[in-house]
Amino acid sequence: DTEVTQTPKHLVMGMTNKKSLKCEQHMGHRAMYWYKQKAKKPPELMFVYSYEKLSINESVPSRFSPECPNSSLLNLHLHALQPEDSALYLCASSQVGTAYGYTFGSGTRLTVV
Amino acid sequence: AQSVTQLGSHVSVSEGALVLLRCNYSSSVPPYLFWYVQYPNQGLQLLLKYTSAATLVKGINGFEAEFKKSETSFHLTKPSAHMRDAAEYFCAVSSGGYQKVTFGTGTKLQVIP
Repeated sequence: DTEVTQTPKHLVMGMTNKKSLKCEQHMGHRAMYWYKQKAKKPPELMFVYSYEKLSINESVPSRFSPECPNSSLLNLHLHALQPEDSALYLCASSQVGTAYGYTFGSGTRLTVV
Repeated sequence: AQSVTQLGSHVSVSEGALVLLRCNYSSSVPPYLFWYVQYPNQGLQLLLKYTSAATLVKGINGFEAEFKKSETSFHLTKPSAHMRDAAEYFCAVSSGGYQKVTFGTGTKLQVIP
């Protein structure tokens, strides 16, 4: 299995809603990532988990809350988002270390209304 | 600190022509360099990576890139463009032991029939 699976593919939520994005991989990767990508822009790093522990938080607002329940799963909990949070949210995984490329999921297209 | 600069946000080539996408990097330590491709409404896919083993790196879909330390460059090439190569291409760098990749701003490749 060489895929990263993200669900849902599309999500529309109101500013008072609580929702979660899910990411799953079965490649034995011990590093997992959340990226945010706005239209016509490169991905922006949000969070990095190494060995199921949060290792990097790029000063992301607290309305985004990551969780890594085990080595295969990564969640992103969303609460009280703003319309400017609308974007493509990408999950990725890799082996731990800087020499390894990432395997990306196809993303969740989030629209905040 | 690490960064990459992609020269040209849009590149147009005729089908069958040479593809050349430019990337220059900045890193205070030896870098690891990557090229990713993103098709519309999809995640990123790793094309190739440089990890100091060989300066000429071959990747998927007929792409290759050459690491030139003296020019701090890692340009992506393909001898003959195909319509299916039309996509957004991102150069990326990681270095210094950080579990973090920095992406360039991207180059949109258009292939003209």
